[in-house]
Amino acid sequence: DTAVSQTPKYLVTQMGNDKSIKCEQNLGHDTMYWYKQDSKKFLKIMFSYNNKELIINETVPNRFSPKSPDKAHLNLHINSLELGDSAVYFCASSHPESHTEAFFGQGTRLTVV
Amino acid sequence: AQKITQTQPGMFVQEKEAVTLDCTYDTSDPSYGLFWYKQPSSGEMIFLIYQGSYDQQNATEGRYSLNFQKARKSANLVISASQLGDSAMYFCAMREGFSGGYNKLIFGAGTRLAVHP
Repeated sequence: DTAVSQTPKYLVTQMGNDKSIKCEQNLGHDTMYWYKQDSKKFLKIMFSYNNKELIINETVPNRFSPKSPDKAHLNLHINSLELGDSAVYFCASSHPESHTEAFFGQGTRLTVV
Repeated sequence: AQKITQTQPGMFVQEKEAVTLDCTYDTSDPSYGLFWYKQPSSGEMIFLIYQGSYDQQNATEGRYSLNFQKARKSANLVISASQLGDSAMYFCAMREGFSGGYNKLIFGAGTRLAVHP
């Protein structure tokens, strides 16, 4: 069973479009995250949600809007896509009490053309 | 200042040999966790090993061990008996504090490991 699943795995779209990436975890974790990995493989936190509440927003443009309908889901909606948004986006989840690890989804490779 | 530094952009190792991937960190928080993740060419992030700042012993998970030197602020990953499947990108990461929801991971730039037969 997949612990953290993201869809789609690949997304190619034109500049200016709006797109969403979905994420679901079946681990019962309270905390979910979005990370962005750029073309140089550098990973950086974008958002963190704890029990559906936004906790971290790391100076991400407001074209990016996370939505957490329940604590098992954290979706990422991106408006007016730009070339610089091309990256791999990872969803992750962790249990705030265990502190020991964060489980990552398989990543979504977004290409804006 | 960088919080996590991985000074080796690339490393080579012969199959069955051991290899050490370096990681140094910078924090003033007494409570923190250190992580290593593996990213193969397929792209997924695979958790390998965790070390808490208060853990007295070095963490081990199968062929992976973490050489934790707190005074030097280093958390090197040691892979014993390298296998071809170990060829991947390896990331060191740190989590500061233990507040629920604030536990973001700060990643290093990664080290690309190539295992040669």
